[in-house]
Amino acid sequence: GAVVSQHPSWVICKSGTSVKIECRSLDFQATTMFWYRQFPKQSLMLMATSNEGSKATYEQGVEKDKFLINHASLTLSTLTVTSAHPEDSSFYICSARSGQYSGNTIYFGEGSWLTVV
Amino acid sequence: GDSVTQMEGPVTLSEEAFLTINCTYTATGYPSLFWYVQYPGEGLQLLLKATKADDKGSNKGFEATYRKETTSFHLEKGSVQVSDSAVYFCALSDVPTGLTGGGNKLTFGTGTQLKVEL
Repeated sequence: GAVVSQHPSWVICKSGTSVKIECRSLDFQATTMFWYRQFPKQSLMLMATSNEGSKATYEQGVEKDKFLINHASLTLSTLTVTSAHPEDSSFYICSARSGQYSGNTIYFGEGSWLTVV
Repeated sequence: GDSVTQMEGPVTLSEEAFLTINCTYTATGYPSLFWYVQYPGEGLQLLLKATKADDKGSNKGFEATYRKETTSFHLEKGSVQVSDSAVYFCALSDVPTGLTGGGNKLTFGTGTQLKVEL
């Protein structure tokens, strides 16, 4: 079946540095991808919606300059956490929606654990 | 705005026990409701869904009924197995039916960890 893969699964970075997380749809083209974040014991919160070839739509309260999202191709979206701080430590998970001719179904990646020290 | 509330975990059960994970929601209109499961090291997978009131979603022995009057979508299974150990997420989508896995925005609950022991 369709698979969405995230990389890296976990990453530790120093405060002030930037870190990139990739989300790939492995066997389908994803016109839309979504990025979520989850803090411990809290809900998965939608951060932004990205459509291939256009700017991402960010949810209220999410800093677009801090969380850069690029959806350059139909199989790849990237989330870059810029100038990371310890409070950015979280679980980030992406999902991708297959097109209407592929069932219009949402598939999730495995998630990425980010720890900022 | 839309919200989903589900029982806190972790839930620890013995094999063959009966499982209930409560989920209630707040939404305008008529949302579609979902249960997702995340096994260790894997992505979230759609477990079951219901798109209108009184619908019952079922899969792999799990079932949940869309109760509009109580705004609930509780997950149940009559006899759990060790292999059911995972995190279960209740979610809703405010996009109309017709989309199989969900619409645009999915609003999630906090997730409930289930651990089944022999």
